[in-house]
Amino acid sequence: ETGVTQSPTHLIKTRGQQVTLRCSSQSGHNTVSWYQQALGQGPQFIFQYYREEENGRGNFPPRFSGLQFPNYSSELNVNALELDDSALYLCASSPNIGTAYHGYTFGSGTRLTVV
Amino acid sequence: DAKTTQPPSMDCAEGRAANLPCNHSTISGNEYVYWYRQIHSQGPQYIIHGLKNNETNEMASLIITEDRKSSTLILPHATLRDTAVYYCIVKGEGTSGTYKYIFGTGTRLKVLA
Repeated sequence: ETGVTQSPTHLIKTRGQQVTLRCSSQSGHNTVSWYQQALGQGPQFIFQYYREEENGRGNFPPRFSGLQFPNYSSELNVNALELDDSALYLCASSPNIGTAYHGYTFGSGTRLTVV
Repeated sequence: DAKTTQPPSMDCAEGRAANLPCNHSTISGNEYVYWYRQIHSQGPQYIIHGLKNNETNEMASLIITEDRKSSTLILPHATLRDTAVYYCIVKGEGTSGTYKYIFGTGTRLKVLA
């Protein structure tokens, strides 16, 4: 059983550019969430996808968007990058959206630096 | 959404039990308490979770008070590899049935040789 894999592991972009981060969910998991973790802080919920539809969003602007594909892999897209977008971006998958019982499995993250 | 409060840091001697407290006084009846840890800014690693009964697995024990307003994660024999930031999380329901994690700032546990 493979876990959650994210790519790339590190990325440097320039302010104003666009970036796409990728996540492959754990086998059998149909729900994926994305989190942003600034240095020294706990992860902050960005949004969640279930069956290719966004199903809940945190306090992030529309320039943060996502996609989930039929094989349950997903992407996080950020447009018009700002310096404050520099963070560790974490993808987490879960086998079942419907209950609070099932925990999330996290990937190792993508470290994004905006200069 | 229920919030959690944890001490910012703790030290523990290697081989001794590490007891990490968490306050979640606004937890609702159907919310679970989850514990994760994060080492060197890797992805958070699942440790244990529970609803109202005490739980034990190969990594740790979770003690939840009867009123469910607080819990304690116990690492029975801490090793240097247990040095990490530990997060206590209440799994809350957001819009449209979303179950999102609300992370606090966690407890930075340092295991001392």
